[in-house]
Amino acid sequence: AQTVTQSQPEMSVQEAETVTLSCTYDTSESDYYLFWYKQPPSRQMILVIRQEAYKQQNATENRFSVNFQKAAKSFSLKISDSQLGDAAMYFCEMYSGGGADGLTFGKGTHLIIQP
Amino acid sequence: GAGVSQSPRYKVAKRGQDVALRCDPISGHVSLFWYQQALGQGPEFLTYFQNEAQLDKSGLPSDRFFAERPEGSVSTLKIQRTQQEDSAVYLCASSLSGVYEKLFFGSGTQLSVL
Repeated sequence: AQTVTQSQPEMSVQEAETVTLSCTYDTSESDYYLFWYKQPPSRQMILVIRQEAYKQQNATENRFSVNFQKAAKSFSLKISDSQLGDAAMYFCEMYSGGGADGLTFGKGTHLIIQP
Repeated sequence: GAGVSQSPRYKVAKRGQDVALRCDPISGHVSLFWYQQALGQGPEFLTYFQNEAQLDKSGLPSDRFFAERPEGSVSTLKIQRTQQEDSAVYLCASSLSGVYEKLFFGSGTQLSVL
């Protein structure tokens, strides 16, 4: 069975600083996809960044980047120059094949931005 | 439509009542997913459609839960004889084709069973 673990229930960062959210996972598959989603109070989940496991290069989207360590099964999200609008729940997700039941979310990290 | 639309946004039901939750995916999206999100938890997979075919319903917690997508567009999640443990946010998501692609989520239906 696949698992996704987010070990930080809550993180706090000063506005304009950098924060890293951790995610580790476990799967026996060699090819899989990893995602970070943001869920603001409106409840609508929004894709932040996506990484294909076969790509060694870390994905980057503007202020958001990942540190993907395949051997360690780690997929952390770095947010640079944090903004008040970044405050939300962040969920790590993995798709490891075998149909939709291969879609697994972590329990989330609540990110607080201090002005 | 421009995004995934879910209705109602909030639903309060008495225990034992049947409820129906609606999801209108992005036009042209083949795949549609239902998730259950308990308070303070990540989404848990319920079921998955590709067009009108329900390819995976392994996450449905009991036979009181039923989902359909008869014309490959709008989907309805029905819960019969609701129980208090059914209280959660029910999220719908769609993607252009497969399960490995970007999911577009609706804002969910918050179900409270009293």
